[in-house]
Amino acid sequence: DIVMTQTPLSSPVTLGQPASISCRSSQSLVHSNGNTYLSWFHQRPGQPPRLLIYQISNRFSGVPDRFSGSGAGTDFTLKISRVEAEDVGVYYCMEATQFRTFGQGTKLEIK
Amino acid sequence: QVQMVQSGAEVKKPGASVKVSCKASGYTFTTNGISWVRQAPGQGLEWMGWISTRSGNTNYAEKFQGRVTLTTETSTSTAYMELRSLRSDDTAVYYCARDREYTLDVWGQGTTVTVSS
Repeated sequence: DIVMTQTPLSSPVTLGQPASISCRSSQSLVHSNGNTYLSWFHQRPGQPPRLLIYQISNRFSGVPDRFSGSGAGTDFTLKISRVEAEDVGVYYCMEATQFRTFGQGTKLEIK
Repeated sequence: QVQMVQSGAEVKKPGASVKVSCKASGYTFTTNGISWVRQAPGQGLEWMGWISTRSGNTNYAEKFQGRVTLTTETSTSTAYMELRSLRSDDTAVYYCARDREYTLDVWGQGTTVTVSS
């Protein structure tokens, strides 16, 4: 089974500054159809997760353009260009190439 | 708009079963599958399984094989997750999510299941 590893597990950031989260998979996420199914989610306390990014770099409807995704193969990154207060919470990556496997989560908090 | 509305909180004793429902609206139910994900208190997200709303085919995470059953009722656009032989470590929030084009784009509000004697 694929293992998804996120770093860091906790990220204190200053409002208005950039933030970056890494997600590494134990095997390539390139599907037999040529697509790579790596998504990013954001979860605030007491709320369900919300889809941010799908297929590495596609922003979901309504997601601000300060969020961007990149990567290929086994290494992926979520970047926030300028962190806002509403961005606090936990971020998860998820592969859907094999089944559906989540990373362990990265907690974003304001310094 | 697309919505997934789940049933209310449950309290169960160890060894019992629980069945959580997830009613979809705002789209054609049979065009997308549904995944179930759980989150234990203070922990991360754990995928449990997926069901095709068109064929009823299922795919379960190995950890839950034999203990979970996913079903759907197309007449009411409702999906169900039944978990049997409950243990204290099954205490968690259970989410359904529309599984569309290899991502989970719309989530239910979550159902808290507490297992306690």
